[in-house]
Formats: sequence, C-alpha cells, structure tokens
Amino acid sequence: DAMVIQNPRYQVTQFGKPVTLSCSQTLNHNVMYWYQQKSSQAPKLLFHYYDKDFNNEADTPDNFQSRRPNTSFCFLDIRSPGLGDAAMYLCATSGDSYNEQFFGPGTRLTVL
Amino acid sequence: RKEVEQDPGPFNVPEGATVAFNCTYSNSASQSFFWYRQDCRKEPKLLMSVYSSGNEDGRFTAQLNRASQYISLLIRDSKLSDSATYLCVVRPMNTGFQKLVFGTGTRLLVSP
Repeated sequence: DAMVIQNPRYQVTQFGKPVTLSCSQTLNHNVMYWYQQKSSQAPKLLFHYYDKDFNNEADTPDNFQSRRPNTSFCFLDIRSPGLGDAAMYLCATSGDSYNEQFFGPGTRLTVL
Repeated sequence: RKEVEQDPGPFNVPEGATVAFNCTYSNSASQSFFWYRQDCRKEPKLLMSVYSSGNEDGRFTAQLNRASQYISLLIRDSKLSDSATYLCVVRPMNTGFQKLVFGTGTRLLVSP
C-alpha cells in the first residue's frame, strides 16, 4: 500500500545531542511537510518542500533543519535538542492538486 | 486571536447520542476547510472536507458558514469508536497553496 513511513517511531536523545528523524513516502507526492505537535496542541508546521524548493516557516527556530535528497525521502535534523523540543514530529505529504495531506505515524522524541 | 479556534472539550456522550462541534476561523480569505480525526498518540487522518453547500458522509455532517466564519461537524448515533480528537483545519488562500492551519482539536469521549 502507498504510504508515509517515519523512522524511528520513538527516539530518545540527550540534551544538545544532534538527532535526525526520517520520513519516506511511496505516494510520489511532490510536497512534503514536517510538523511538530506537543501534547494537547495543534500540529505546528515547521517547513515544507515543494519538490526541491524549501519553505521555512518564519517562526521555526534555526535549530531545526531539513533535507530532501530525492522525491521519496525527507529528513528533519535537530542540531542541539533542548528539553522544549520533546514532541511528536509528524511528516506529511500532498500532491499538486490535492488538498488532503497524508500523515506518517510520527516520531515521538524524548530529550533527556 | 488564534487563526482556528475550537472548544477543547472533552465532550462526554453516551453511545447513540448526537454531538456537534463548532470551529471558528479568523482569516476571511480562507479557501478550504476540513475535519481531521486524531486518535490518542496517532497521526491525524482526514475525516471529511467541508463544502460551502454542506456535505454528509454516513453519520457525519459538515457545514460551513462563510459569513460567520465557522465550521461545524455533527456526529449522529455516536459509536464507541468515534472517541478521538477532532481537528478543524483551514487552508488560508494567502499563505501558500498547500499550507494548512490546524485547530487544537475537540476531544470526544463516547461511553457505553
């Protein structure tokens, strides 16, 4: 089945230790998104790629970076995780003419 | 003022009850509207799009009132499996063709 896959599902890192979360998709969608969701809060868009074009949200901290080496894969790099970065990180995709975004299962990040 | 506002609930209803959620949005230029469902510790999934004329999908009815800038979701004959958080989602026309703005969600608990 076509889908959005995120690895790992659970990630534990230490304060200040860089971490990379990965997302892959078999939907061949050209738009990929990264969201941060904290408990009882709305998913917050960090950035998105339209093909290779990177679009950063104005309030996304510099600590968060992203890479998209090809259509299928997208990575979220957190350079120096702080305790406040503990959250669920959701990857989503959408096609050109579709409004619907398809979400992966998320990676739950814990920062010790 | 938040772009998308919802009553966080929880709404506690017995099986078989009818329950309605409302959501308001601040950007009058918003173009598309959706309800997503999110189960505990899972990813959001599209429940239904909301059209100007109102639309129904089985036990679920969604309506849009552009003049008052609110969206509603009605669930009839509630099932235990309807217990989840319902996210109101808006696509503002002037913030990028694919950007979605999520509400914090309304939690529904259906009891036997």
